Amino acid sequence: DQQVKQNSPSLSVQEGRISILNCDYTNSMFDYFLWYKKYPAEGPTFLISISSIKDKNEDGRFTVFLNKSAKHLSLHIVPSQPGDSAVYFCAASGSSNTGKLIFGQGTTLQVKP
Amino acid sequence: NAGVMQNPRHLVRRRGQEARLRCSPMKGHSHVYWYRQLPEEGLKFMVYLQKENIIDESGMPKERFSAEFPKEGPSILRIQQVVRGDSAAYFCASSPPHLSGGTQPQHFGDGTRLSIL
Repeated sequence: DQQVKQNSPSLSVQEGRISILNCDYTNSMFDYFLWYKKYPAEGPTFLISISSIKDKNEDGRFTVFLNKSAKHLSLHIVPSQPGDSAVYFCAASGSSNTGKLIFGQGTTLQVKP
Repeated sequence: NAGVMQNPRHLVRRRGQEARLRCSPMKGHSHVYWYRQLPEEGLKFMVYLQKENIIDESGMPKERFSAEFPKEGPSILRIQQVVRGDSAAYFCASSPPHLSGGTQPQHFGDGTRLSIL
């Protein structure tokens, strides 16, 4: 049972434009959501997180939006840069989950110069 | 390097051998998590440990897999009698103690790529 889903395996965007990565979840007990970026042969790097008490969190070029009623979150990257090309994972945890993260399958972002 | 350290980066074992994967958490972090990533998939939770305690092992296979985080030294993920299906990337993450009412992001090491011949 895939509790966190990233339905787009890949996304291609032109440099300077906005990248929007989407994530859906099914477990209403999740209350903390994170986005990680991963390059080949490296571990995931934490990007940004959001608590369920908020609907938006912004950090530089990265903004995460949370829609609890739709059980949907998205990551916006603007402007996109070629160095942003990587696999992006969304993850979720809940206070009843002992802090373990449930990951989506990932979306490969390619930013073209 | 103050990050999460995993070794070895690559490990090759023959079927039936034992694999030991090590993880040193970031300085000040007392919580360790192990995840496994199969090809073309996301990371799957395996086990969550604090010093000398297993907190949640709900993601660990019932047999052949064990984990520990001793009072001194790194956390160890041990796989006995490895099989081809154990080939994967194993990632360790650490976090500081959870604050009341809040959650700390986990920071990951670069993983150990385990290959079973």
